[in-house]
Amino acid sequence: NAGVTQTPKFQVLKTGQSMTLQCAQDMNHNSMYWYRQDPGMGLRLIYYSASEGTTDKGEVPNGYNVSRLNKREFSLRLESAAPSQTSVYFCASSRASGLSYNEQFFGPGTRLTVL
Amino acid sequence: KQEVTQIPAALSVPEGENLVLNCSFTDSAIYNLQWFRQDPGKGLTSLLLIQSSQREQTSGRLNASLDKSSGRSTLYIAASQPGDSATYLCAVYYGNKLVFGAGTILRVKS
Repeated sequence: NAGVTQTPKFQVLKTGQSMTLQCAQDMNHNSMYWYRQDPGMGLRLIYYSASEGTTDKGEVPNGYNVSRLNKREFSLRLESAAPSQTSVYFCASSRASGLSYNEQFFGPGTRLTVL
Repeated sequence: KQEVTQIPAALSVPEGENLVLNCSFTDSAIYNLQWFRQDPGKGLTSLLLIQSSQREQTSGRLNASLDKSSGRSTLYIAASQPGDSATYLCAVYYGNKLVFGAGTILRVKS
């Protein structure tokens, strides 16, 4: 099993460009998440999808949109990239939400630079 | 607001020392707590997950404890090695929400 995979690994954009970050999991998990990590900080939740067909905002959703394409895939879109969105983006998945044992499993990350 | 704080922010120790990393959280109504390791430029590696009903978890030279009433967790690393050098992140589960601390940067000198 590959676990959680993310593409691309690295990306450089110019201000105003758009792009989509892809995430897929092969663990048959119901819930998926997008985080960003800035230097010297922990991860902050951007959006999450508790189950297929649902999405909800996290702590820092401005400037992003998401799509839960199917149970396996959850994409993050930057419509008009800004330098403040330079960060490392992590995708995660878990069996379900709201359970007392609900470990999240993380992908390797996408390093995005916006010039 | 649910916040997670890690102290110290950075730590440098000689090889062989035992050390303790601290994590505190403001809301004690947690589901679970997890410790991760992150190497420079890399992703997160899960070290230990403690369920809210547990007091501690052990894996090799690592021991994590949890005290919900005081809002604290510690990660104990025995006989530290240069290969332990990394950033250690504490994360607290509140239902489907995972709140991270900023991490402790550990350097073990040979």
